Amino acid sequence: GAVVSQHPSRVICKSGTSVKIECRSLDFQATTMFWYRQFPKQSLMLMATSNEGSKATYEQGVEKDKFLINHASLTLSTLTVTSAHPEDSSFYICSAPGTRLYNEQFFGPGTRLTVL
Amino acid sequence: AQSVTQLGSHVSVSEGALVLLRCNYSSSVPPYLFWYVQYPNQGLQLLLKYTTGATLVKGINGFEAEFKKSETSFHLTKPSAHMSDAAEYFCAVSDGNNFNKFYFGSGTKLNVKP
Repeated sequence: GAVVSQHPSRVICKSGTSVKIECRSLDFQATTMFWYRQFPKQSLMLMATSNEGSKATYEQGVEKDKFLINHASLTLSTLTVTSAHPEDSSFYICSAPGTRLYNEQFFGPGTRLTVL
Repeated sequence: AQSVTQLGSHVSVSEGALVLLRCNYSSSVPPYLFWYVQYPNQGLQLLLKYTTGATLVKGINGFEAEFKKSETSFHLTKPSAHMSDAAEYFCAVSDGNNFNKFYFGSGTKLNVKP
């Protein structure tokens, strides 16, 4: 089946630094990928849609200058958290849709970001 | 706008007992509904989905869910719980204008007691 990987699985950084998270579709191509954020005991919140070859589309309330998304190829999307603050600490999950209409999303295992 | 509510952040059942995880949604258009399961340190795995047609859908591992439009519900059930069912379960609805955009409930952690 379709597999989506994320790297790193965990990252700890200092306030003010930037962190890059990679999302890869391992055995299929994805022109679109999605980035979610999950706070403890809360829903996965859709942050943005990553589009290969064009700008990402951000959900309302998500700072595009804070969360930079680059869809570098048909198998790779990156999320960079710039000038990280402790409140950015969260679980970040990416997904990619399958090739069939109305298909389920294939999710990565997530990245736990802790900002000190 | 779409939203999903899962009642009960934690549900505990005995092995062999009925599993019932509740999900209610709001959607301005006919919804596509999904249940996902997440095991520790793993990605979300699709259990089942409703798009159109039969309102009772069967998924993997013996789970099923029924779409009830009048109740705006999509509850997940399994007749007999197994220890391996212990995990976190998420209900999701897709955006009617963009079926690839999902909105999730807050999740329900299922504990199965021996």
